[in-house]
Amino acid sequence: QVQLVESGGGLVKSGGSLRLSCAASGFTFSDYYMSWIRQAPGKGLEWLSYVSGSGSHTNYADSVKGRFSISRDNAKNSLYLQMNSLRAEDTAVYYCARADVVLGLNWYFDLWGRGTLVTVSS
Amino acid sequence: QSVLTQPPSVSGAPGQTVTISCTGSDSNIGAGFDVHWYQQLPGTAPKVLIYRDNNRPSGVPDRFSGSKSGTSASLAITGLQAEDEADYYCQCYDNSLSAWVFGGGTKLAVL
Repeated sequence: QVQLVESGGGLVKSGGSLRLSCAASGFTFSDYYMSWIRQAPGKGLEWLSYVSGSGSHTNYADSVKGRFSISRDNAKNSLYLQMNSLRAEDTAVYYCARADVVLGLNWYFDLWGRGTLVTVSS
Repeated sequence: QSVLTQPPSVSGAPGQTVTISCTGSDSNIGAGFDVHWYQQLPGTAPKVLIYRDNNRPSGVPDRFSGSKSGTSASLAITGLQAEDEADYYCQCYDNSLSAWVFGGGTKLAVL
């Protein structure tokens, strides 16, 4: 079954750290770029970061650059997001998503996990 | 404030047609980047509905269609059904931000 399952969310204090994981199954994980996307309560979607299939290329949204770090372990079919210096505004459901990168920068996200909730208390 | 602007809500009666607009700028839609649309049913993850302006993944009914012109794009839903009640988001690449951006989302109510 083709799916993504996130884990690692929870309650953390402002300034703290958390590591999210995303387990992939049903497809050749290493063939795909992967992203993290979040949704604050009652709000819209915000792209955060991507990592290439090999793990050699990464990029971040300005809102998390320098605080969050994306990585992957293709042997374990897993994606990670290390989140440091967390702020109240980082409170959101965090989704991992598979990216279709066939046409230049015209990426879209064709497979999503169910998300994991991160709550940052001030 | 989202880079792509959508109406907060739209509504229609069963069987009717509704359109959801997505207005961008010269750094995203107007630059020629593809627009994609997602449907998020209550309590679930987003699902791609339309990709590359006007393409439907397998399993998406042909009641859903996308179009693009200038700095705007639209999602049309014909023959509205109760199960279409959801939030809809447009998405594109923005070359000023060097990031993939989403609209603020539109809540569709089927009356």
